[in-house]
Amino acid sequence: EAAVTQSPRNKVAVTGGKVTLSCNQTNNHNNMYWYRQDTGHGLRLIHYSYGAGSTEKGDIPDGYKASRPSQENFSLILELATPSQTSVYFCASGGTGGQDTQYFGPGTRLLVL
Amino acid sequence: QQKVQQSPESLSVPEGGMASFNCTSSDRNFQYFWWYRQHSGEGPKALMSIFSDGDKKEGRFTAHLNKASLHVSLHIRDSQPSDSALYFCAASENSGTYQRFGTGTKLQVVP
Repeated sequence: EAAVTQSPRNKVAVTGGKVTLSCNQTNNHNNMYWYRQDTGHGLRLIHYSYGAGSTEKGDIPDGYKASRPSQENFSLILELATPSQTSVYFCASGGTGGQDTQYFGPGTRLLVL
Repeated sequence: QQKVQQSPESLSVPEGGMASFNCTSSDRNFQYFWWYRQHSGEGPKALMSIFSDGDKKEGRFTAHLNKASLHVSLHIRDSQPSDSALYFCAASENSGTYQRFGTGTKLQVVP
């Protein structure tokens, strides 16, 4: 089964601080995704990547940056964290086709005080 | 605007009963549909996909797709307490590389 890991699993940050969430996949998938999950909103796409060196904006990119330094790794960066970014963040990987299933990591719970 | 809508928001069924979920889309470019399941404290996991009109059955799970009405449903027969989870519908375009998710339906199976 496809494997996606995330770190840290839990994070407490202060308003205005920098937060980096990391994701690693061993599936050799080209595409990787960052979502946030909030009650009433489901899963919303923040950024995604087609491969090493590429990042694309999703539906809610404001306040977030992404970095894909290699096929395996995809990071989500909050340069100036705000309380509204308190959420559960999920990373996923998948193939390049519209028919490809996505495989999710276990999530990172972020609390911004 | 949410492009994928799900109903109901929550659902409670007795053990052994039938659970039914609905999903509609407002985008006619969507061609591929999935159902994902998320147990508490875990990431979503793909349950089944459906790309053609009609029914698709996998064990206790049956999905139905009607592309003309942009409606997809999921039915779980003989529901078990382990089926208690959040169920998401997701859709993607023919040429797309990412999926749009609905807001989810929370299922509770009562022993």
